[in-house]
Amino acid sequence: KNEVEQSPQNLTAQEGEFITINCSYSVGISALHWLQQHPGGGIVSLFMLSSGKKKHGRLIATINIQEKHSSLHITASHPRDSAVYICAATNYGGSQGNLIFGKGTKLSVKP
Amino acid sequence: GAGVSQSPSNKVTEKGKDVELRCDPISGHTALYWYRQRLGQGLEFLIYFQGNSAPDKSGLPSDRFSAERTGESVSTLTIQRTQQEDSAVYLCASSLSGTGNSPLHFGNGTRLTVT
Repeated sequence: KNEVEQSPQNLTAQEGEFITINCSYSVGISALHWLQQHPGGGIVSLFMLSSGKKKHGRLIATINIQEKHSSLHITASHPRDSAVYICAATNYGGSQGNLIFGKGTKLSVKP
Repeated sequence: GAGVSQSPSNKVTEKGKDVELRCDPISGHTALYWYRQRLGQGLEFLIYFQGNSAPDKSGLPSDRFSAERTGESVSTLTIQRTQQEDSAVYLCASSLSGTGNSPLHFGNGTRLTVT
C-alpha cells in the first residue's frame, strides 16, 4: 500500500462541472502539496498546506489532519484544467522537498 | 527573473556512458531538489540541497548517482555507467528556503533515454 493514495486515477468531466480529487496518506506529515502537471510535463505547485483550507481562484484545497485526508476542488471546470493533479506529502521532520508522491489523477475536461 | 532552468531538455546516451544534467534554480533560492519520473510512474525524490550542502541524499538509487551544487546556485546531477532503467525525466525544483511555507518551483525537466 502506497503511503500517499489518490482517487480517482482518471476523471472525465464536462466543462462547468465541480470536480473533487481526494488524497489520503498514512504517514505523519508536516505539509501536503498539490501539484499540477501539464501534458508537456511541466509541474506547477498549486498549494502547500498543513491545516485548514486554501483558495486560489477556482481552486480550493482542504486538509483534515485527524483523518489524514486532503481534497482538491475545482469549481466551474474548464478544458484548460485538463492535467494530471498530484498529491505529495512532506514527512514530518523531513526536508520540505523530500516528498512522498501519489500516483496522480488524470483529469480531462470536455467542452 | 527567470524560473528554474534545466539542460539539456533531452539527452540520449548509450548504456555505460556517464551523463551530467544541469539545473539553474531561481536566483536567491537556497533549497534545491532533484526528482525522477519514470515513464508511467510517479515522481520520486532523489536529493535535497540547502545551500551547497546535501543534508538529505536518501533518494539516490545507487552509488552511480551523485550530485553537487556550487555557489549556492547551479546544481549538476551525474549518473555514471548509465543503465536502461535510468531512462526517465529528471526534474529539478527550488524554493526560497527548505522549511516553512516556501512553495516549490519546478523546471521543465531533462528527458534521459539510455539505449
